[in-house]
Amino acid sequence: AQKITQTQPGMFVQEKEAVTLDCTYDTSDQSYGLFWYKQPSSGEMIFLIYQGSYDEQNATEGRYSLNFQKARKSANLVISASQLGDSAMYFCAMTPRGTGKLIFGQGTTLQVKP
Amino acid sequence: GAGVSQSPSNKVTEKGKDVELRCDPISGHTALYWYRQSLGQGLEFLIYFQGNSAPDKSGLPSDRFSAERTGGSVSTLTIQRTQQEDSAVYLCASSPQGWGLGNTIYFGEGSWLTVV
Repeated sequence: AQKITQTQPGMFVQEKEAVTLDCTYDTSDQSYGLFWYKQPSSGEMIFLIYQGSYDEQNATEGRYSLNFQKARKSANLVISASQLGDSAMYFCAMTPRGTGKLIFGQGTTLQVKP
Repeated sequence: GAGVSQSPSNKVTEKGKDVELRCDPISGHTALYWYRQSLGQGLEFLIYFQGNSAPDKSGLPSDRFSAERTGGSVSTLTIQRTQQEDSAVYLCASSPQGWGLGNTIYFGEGSWLTVV
């Protein structure tokens, strides 16, 4: 069965510094997609970044990058130059091949300190 | 509309009553999903509709939960005989297609259900 593990329930980072949020996954599929979503206190789920299992280069979207290490089955999110507005819960998720379902991790709460 | 729209945004109901939650997906999106998020927890998959295919109901927690999607667009999630453990945020999402890597899923703002 597929599973997403986020081992950091909470993280703190100083404003303007970079932070890495950990995500490991478990799947026997060769083809899958990995996502990160941000959930601020308002509750909406905001798509941040996507990485395909066959993509050789790490995905980047502005200040977000995904450190994809396929052999280790990890898909860590790196946020550069943290901003106060980055304070939120962050979810790692996976789409197994052939399904539309997202399987989510338990999330990491990030707090950015001024 | 521009995004996934859900109503009501907040609902307080008495234990034992039925509730209906509505979702209006992004226009043109063929796939629609319902997730549940309990306080401080991750998202739990409930049900998934893709076009005219039979829905994937594998995540529904009990037979008190049901969902339908009319005309391939609007969906209603119904919870019968609500119980306190049903209290959660119910998130609806849609995507352009139901499969394919990189098929980004967009979420609504959720319906906050409180059963008292």
